Amino acid sequence: EVQLVQSGAEVKKPGESLKISCKGSGYSFTSYWIGWVRQMPGKGLEWMGIIYPGDSDTRYSPSFQGQVTISADKSISTAYLQWSSLKASDTAMYYCARRLRGHDPFDYWGQGTLVTVSS
Amino acid sequence: SYVLTQPPSVSVAPGQTARITCGGNNIGSKSVHWYQQKPGQAPVLVVYDDSDRPSGIPERFSGSNSGNTATLTISRVEAGDEADYYCQVWDSSSDPLVFGTGTKVTVL
Repeated sequence: EVQLVQSGAEVKKPGESLKISCKGSGYSFTSYWIGWVRQMPGKGLEWMGIIYPGDSDTRYSPSFQGQVTISADKSISTAYLQWSSLKASDTAMYYCARRLRGHDPFDYWGQGTLVTVSS
Repeated sequence: SYVLTQPPSVSVAPGQTARITCGGNNIGSKSVHWYQQKPGQAPVLVVYDDSDRPSGIPERFSGSNSGNTATLTISRVEAGDEADYYCQVWDSSSDPLVFGTGTKVTVL
């Protein structure tokens, strides 16, 4: 069974750093892209970026380039999304999802990680 | 960047048909995917490549795409179909993945 299991909810202060994770199982982790999607409270879905764990090829949405870092450790089938200095506006639910290639859809999604940034 | 426009809301009575549009410039030339998101849950793929259904998705969900509009159709609507629906395409611009603005489907 394909699963993407994300790390638990986080409560952080502005200026703090954070790294959340997404562990894949039930499929060949290095053969699928992993994307990250932000959903701010009461708002829609926003694509942040995507990584191919097989060779760490990474693409970012221009809206998020320089704001976050996406990485992966294929040895433990885990992708990451990290911030070096959080802002209150980073408060959101973050989802990971997998895509096979090209213009394929995201066919499996993680359960989401809620990040709350508040002083 | 490429923009996908959806109506904010669609209301439909049980047993009737809901149609959710997704407008974009020449969207008919792209593959459109549709996701359903129920409150407090992660999105679920319900239609991909304009009109294909993943395994486990009821035949009541169907899609079409032509010209500047893609459409997700939900036939014989049930209370359990109440959710937010998002269209999505991959674009060749600098921001390659685009989600639509989302449509809240309310079952009356």
